[in-house]
Amino acid sequence: DAMVIQNPRYQVTQFGKPVTLSCSQTLNHNVMYWYQQKSSQAPKLLFHYYDKDFNNEADTPDNFQSRRPNTSFCFLDIRSPGLGDAAMYLCATSSDQDYSSTDTQYFGPGTRLTVL
Amino acid sequence: GENVEQHPSTLSVQEGDSAVIKCTYSDSASNYFPWYKQELGKRPQLIIDIRSNVGEKKDQRIAVTLNKTAKHFSLHITETQPEDSAVYFCAASPQTGTYKYIFGTGTRLKVLA
Repeated sequence: DAMVIQNPRYQVTQFGKPVTLSCSQTLNHNVMYWYQQKSSQAPKLLFHYYDKDFNNEADTPDNFQSRRPNTSFCFLDIRSPGLGDAAMYLCATSSDQDYSSTDTQYFGPGTRLTVL
Repeated sequence: GENVEQHPSTLSVQEGDSAVIKCTYSDSASNYFPWYKQELGKRPQLIIDIRSNVGEKKDQRIAVTLNKTAKHFSLHITETQPEDSAVYFCAASPQTGTYKYIFGTGTRLKVLA
């Protein structure tokens, strides 16, 4: 199985209290993504990194930030969570180093965020 | 920009019957089309994919067909089993190098025993 690990699996935070979700990967993939997914809707891309280059989606709120300190790790920071930010947050990776699997995204198990 | 439509939104079939889910895309430059299966509370898992230079691909009970002229692609599951029950998402990758997917809205498949 693809090794994309997310911690924690479940996170409870209070309204307005900053929270950080983490993602790590052992695949040495150069592209990492953060998605938000609500109740069986399609995953919604928040941003992605190509190597260290950060690419924000135009409709991603400023409340969401990300850091990628190295190839293996990527963090999602939610500065002031609101009730509407309760969702599953999925990390994914892909690589453009292998033509046979270029474009294929491998998802982590997700972090379910609850905002009280 | 790219837009992906997926139909139907829900599909119920009897165990052993076939299931077909269809997606259409708008950007003729799209060249990669994956299908993901997502069980309740779990991650999306890639089940099959197809590139634009191929018309059909099969993996055991699962097949995907692509019609580039009509800009649509379909997932076919034969001999369905209860464990095939899940939400299925199609996606299109607009072009090599964008590293992004445009997802369909999902199909909830129920296989009735």
